[in-house]
Amino acid sequence: SQTIHQWPATLVQPVGSPLSLECTVEGTSNPNLYWYRQAAGRGLQLLFYSVGIGQISSEVPQNLSASRPQDRQFILSSKKLLLSDSGFYLCAWSVGRIYNSPLHFGNGTRLTVT
Amino acid sequence: DQQVKQNSPSLSVQEGRISILNCDYTNSMFDYFLWYKKYPAEGPTFLISISSIKDKNEDGRFTVFLNKSAKHLSLHIVPSQPGDSAVYFCAASEAGTYKYIFGTGTRLKVLA
Repeated sequence: SQTIHQWPATLVQPVGSPLSLECTVEGTSNPNLYWYRQAAGRGLQLLFYSVGIGQISSEVPQNLSASRPQDRQFILSSKKLLLSDSGFYLCAWSVGRIYNSPLHFGNGTRLTVT
Repeated sequence: DQQVKQNSPSLSVQEGRISILNCDYTNSMFDYFLWYKKYPAEGPTFLISISSIKDKNEDGRFTVFLNKSAKHLSLHIVPSQPGDSAVYFCAASEAGTYKYIFGTGTRLKVLA
């Protein structure tokens, strides 16, 4: 069966510090990978998605970037965090190159920028 | 521009009764719709989906209805149970893309 791992579960970082959140998927090959953010009291905002190694689609211009160095690894980064980057970050996967396939989410990372 | 809208931020229902959660969308190119359930500090869990070629899909206590002309979908939970208390998100995907757009969520509280 497929599993998705996301870490860390919680993170407190000062403004201006760098960020690296990692997500890995097991039990499937060539998945589509996604990063979403849920800000306090808000819905799920799509940040990035990837349909293959090295391919990244960015949905919202912001202080973040994403990379996919391996087939089942997706990394969310920032060089300098802003207070507005605080939120609940979720990684998700779906069956690769298949339209209309449900997303499956990890348990998220709660990021607090102080 | 919010393409997927859940206009009711919260809903309370008595245990055993029907819960109806609503979702509206604006993009006529959406062809796949999903519902997710989310507990605090956890990732959303997939519940049920529907393709635009259908108007109803059932899975146990959960039924999703799609009205394409009204650009409206709803999730019915029958009977509602206290464990159903969570935030429910609807989501939609545009034909030929891998993007999924989510609504803002509805918090359901099932009262025992």
